[in-house]
Amino acid sequence: EIVLTQSPGTLSLSPGERATLSCRASQSVSSSYLAWYQQKPGQAPRLLIYGASSRATGIPDRFSGSGSGTDFTLTISRLEPEDFAVYYCQQYGSSPFTFGGGTKVEIK
Amino acid sequence: QVQLVQSGAEVKKPGASVKVSCKASGYTFTSYDINWVRQATGQGLEWMGWMNPNSGNTGYAQKFQGRVTMTRNTSISTAYMELSSLRSEDTAVYYCATPDDILTGYAYWGQGTLVTVSS
Repeated sequence: EIVLTQSPGTLSLSPGERATLSCRASQSVSSSYLAWYQQKPGQAPRLLIYGASSRATGIPDRFSGSGSGTDFTLTISRLEPEDFAVYYCQQYGSSPFTFGGGTKVEIK
Repeated sequence: QVQLVQSGAEVKKPGASVKVSCKASGYTFTSYDINWVRQATGQGLEWMGWMNPNSGNTGYAQKFQGRVTMTRNTSISTAYMELSSLRSEDTAVYYCATPDDILTGYAYWGQGTLVTVSS
């Protein structure tokens, strides 16, 4: 089973700042089948990035994903008020399709 | 538009079983796997397993092997997840989710079903 470790656990930033979230895998994620999701309280997760770097439909270009192998990054170039939420990474290349523990991006 | 609509909240006693449904619309139900993910209150996302609606083939996380069964009824475009031998730790919101293309992550999610296990 591939274990995904997200860091930091909480990121305290102000609107307009840049957010950099990390997701590290215990073994290589095949073909970069790595996704990022955003979740707000009381809502289902929302797909942001798939294939490590491809934005899902309707996702603003301030969200970008990068990385390969075991190290992946989600970057939010300039935080908007609606971006404060919890973010999860998931690998879907090797069953079980595990999620990371999440990073909470909170308002400083 | 693609929609996954789940059944309503359930309250179950320890040792019982629960069956959650997920009705798909807006796309060809048999095109993509249905996955099930759960989330305990204040906790992260936990992947439970997948089902191919075309073949009925399934794959479960080892943690749930022997307790979970994923099935479907293609005539009504509905997937089901049944969890047995419930315990208090199974109290969570259960989601169904599906991609919008091969290997693109879960673009579509159901609204979630709260399952509460309490004596």
